[in-house]
Amino acid sequence: DAKTTQPNSMESNEEEPVHLPCNHSTISGTDYIHWYRQLPSQGPEYVIHGLTSNVNNRMASLAIAEDRKSSTLILHRATLRDAAVYYCILTGGGSNYKLTFGKGTLLTVNP
Amino acid sequence: GAGVSQSPSNKVTEKGKDVELRCDPISGHTALYWYRQSLGQGLEFLIYFQGNSAPDKSGLPSDRFSAERTGGSVSTLTIQRTQQEDSAVYLCASSLGYHQETQYFGPGTRLLVL
Repeated sequence: DAKTTQPNSMESNEEEPVHLPCNHSTISGTDYIHWYRQLPSQGPEYVIHGLTSNVNNRMASLAIAEDRKSSTLILHRATLRDAAVYYCILTGGGSNYKLTFGKGTLLTVNP
Repeated sequence: GAGVSQSPSNKVTEKGKDVELRCDPISGHTALYWYRQSLGQGLEFLIYFQGNSAPDKSGLPSDRFSAERTGGSVSTLTIQRTQQEDSAVYLCASSLGYHQETQYFGPGTRLLVL
């Protein structure tokens, strides 16, 4: 299975941009890069996903490296409500519908 | 629009009792998934439905666990003769299709077996 590597924790100040990195050097050509986040005592929340091109939505932007071996989730202006654990996962064919979250990155946002 | 809903939000039961957990997926989503998450742990896949069929039940921990889905919509996860190790948050997710499709999660049911 293709794995991802993320920093255990990151810290940001409110209203500042946050760049959350993810390495996935063994990604296959059919794997999508998905980002979820989980706030304390809540279910995981979908953030964004992409295949090859950079993606933007109302929550965040996803920058994907040209070789697809890494990606970065960008929160343009962090708020206190963005404090959560962020998970970068690869999804694709076969049995990859079984989402497996690693430890993720714990994002702390300082007021 | 309405997201995935689950009920009850919290359930406390005594060891040996049966419990039923309910999931209402997003309308029109054909795929439905059950996971569980123990305190501080990652997601553990339990079962996946495509329509009313469950092509993958490989994650169900024992024969005390069962799930069904009716009308291609609501799903119920049943745990018989609950044990303390069943205590966890049970999460339901749905997606428009399957495989690469984005899964949208409900808030979970927190189960505590005393």
